[in-house]
Amino acid sequence: DTAVSQTPKYLVTQMGNDKSIKCEQNLGHDTMYWYKQDSKKFLKIMFSYNNKELIINETVPNRFSPKSPDKAHLNLHINSLELGDSAVYFCASSQGGRVYGYTFGSGTRLTVV
Amino acid sequence: GDSVTQMEGPVTLSEEAFLTINCTYTATGYPSLFWYVQYPGEGLQLLLKATKADDKGSNKGFEATYRKETTSFHLEKGSVQVSDSAVYFCALTPTGGGNKLTFGTGTQLKVEL
Repeated sequence: DTAVSQTPKYLVTQMGNDKSIKCEQNLGHDTMYWYKQDSKKFLKIMFSYNNKELIINETVPNRFSPKSPDKAHLNLHINSLELGDSAVYFCASSQGGRVYGYTFGSGTRLTVV
Repeated sequence: GDSVTQMEGPVTLSEEAFLTINCTYTATGYPSLFWYVQYPGEGLQLLLKATKADDKGSNKGFEATYRKETTSFHLEKGSVQVSDSAVYFCALTPTGGGNKLTFGTGTQLKVEL
């Protein structure tokens, strides 16, 4: 059973398009996250939701809009894609993250051409 | 703000060599500290963690000790294998909740026969 699953694994799209990435966790965790990993492997948090409520929103362009229909799902919609959006996007979840850590999905590699 | 500094890579070692990857942090209070590993083409896996000063995290032969006095959490392994080749990330979550995981820049390890 996959604990945190993301779809799609790969996404190639043209500039200006709108795309979505989906994430689901079956761990019963109450907090979910989106992280962006750039070409140098640097990881930076984008958003965090706790029980469907947005609790962390880093300085991310408003073309990025997260949506959490329930605490097991956190989707990421990106409007008007730009070349600089090309990266690997990781979904993660936690329950008491400070003590137990965070579980990551396998990532979505987004390439904007 | 909180930050994590890791030694620059890549680190190249021969099989059975001793590994140290340095990690220091800046944070107020007593953050929780983590090491994550990313194998090629995969997501991040929690390797080990420590939640308070002098705690030692260990897993799969890897160890790290939470040193409050030097604000460090260095990763060590006594004898590395080719299968340990991966990118290793040091990370922290702050005291007082928020559950935001802040990563270091990652250190690539390559182990050769």
